[in-house]
Amino acid sequence: DQQVKQNSPSLSVQEGRISILNCDYTNSMFDYFLWYKKYPAEGPTFLISISSIKDKNEDGRFTVFLNKSAKHLSLHIVPSQPGDSAVYFCAASGSGTSYGKLTFGQGTILTVHP
Amino acid sequence: DGGITQSPKYLFRKEGQNVTLSCEQNLNHDAMYWYRQDPGQGLRLIYYSQIVNDFQKGDIAEGYSVSREKKESFPLTVTSAQKNPTAFYLCASSGDRDDTEAFFGQGTRLTVV
Repeated sequence: DQQVKQNSPSLSVQEGRISILNCDYTNSMFDYFLWYKKYPAEGPTFLISISSIKDKNEDGRFTVFLNKSAKHLSLHIVPSQPGDSAVYFCAASGSGTSYGKLTFGQGTILTVHP
Repeated sequence: DGGITQSPKYLFRKEGQNVTLSCEQNLNHDAMYWYRQDPGQGLRLIYYSQIVNDFQKGDIAEGYSVSREKKESFPLTVTSAQKNPTAFYLCASSGDRDDTEAFFGQGTRLTVV
């Protein structure tokens, strides 16, 4: 039972354009959502997070949107840069649980072309 | 610098042997975690520990064991009972405040030969 799903295995974007990565979840007990960026053979690096009491959080070029009624979140990267090319994982945790006890999506490979 | 250190980066094991992966953190985090990543899949939780001398099974604990004798250390043993141990293993830690994200180590690639 995949509680966090990233339905797009890959995304290709031109440099300077917007990248939109999507994530859906099924567990209504999740109340904290995170996006991680990962390069091959390295550990994930935290990008941005959002609490379920918010619907938007912005940090520089990265913005995360949360639609609780649709159980959907998205990560917007604008403008996209070639250095953003990596695998992006959506993750979620539930209230009352340890904050690193995360449920991950399968990941989306983002490629930004110069 | 504060961080999480996993060693070794690459590890080869013969079938039927146990092997222990090291994870050390100096972030003063109470909680530590072990995840496994397989190609084309997300990370799956093996074990986690929220406090010294206590740990809980994650989603895929079978064939693995852990210990948490010190706050800084959370070693993972991959036993011979683990049917498909070849994978990329990631250790993480987190604090206990609200909105504290988990920090990950650089990972250990285990290959059974």
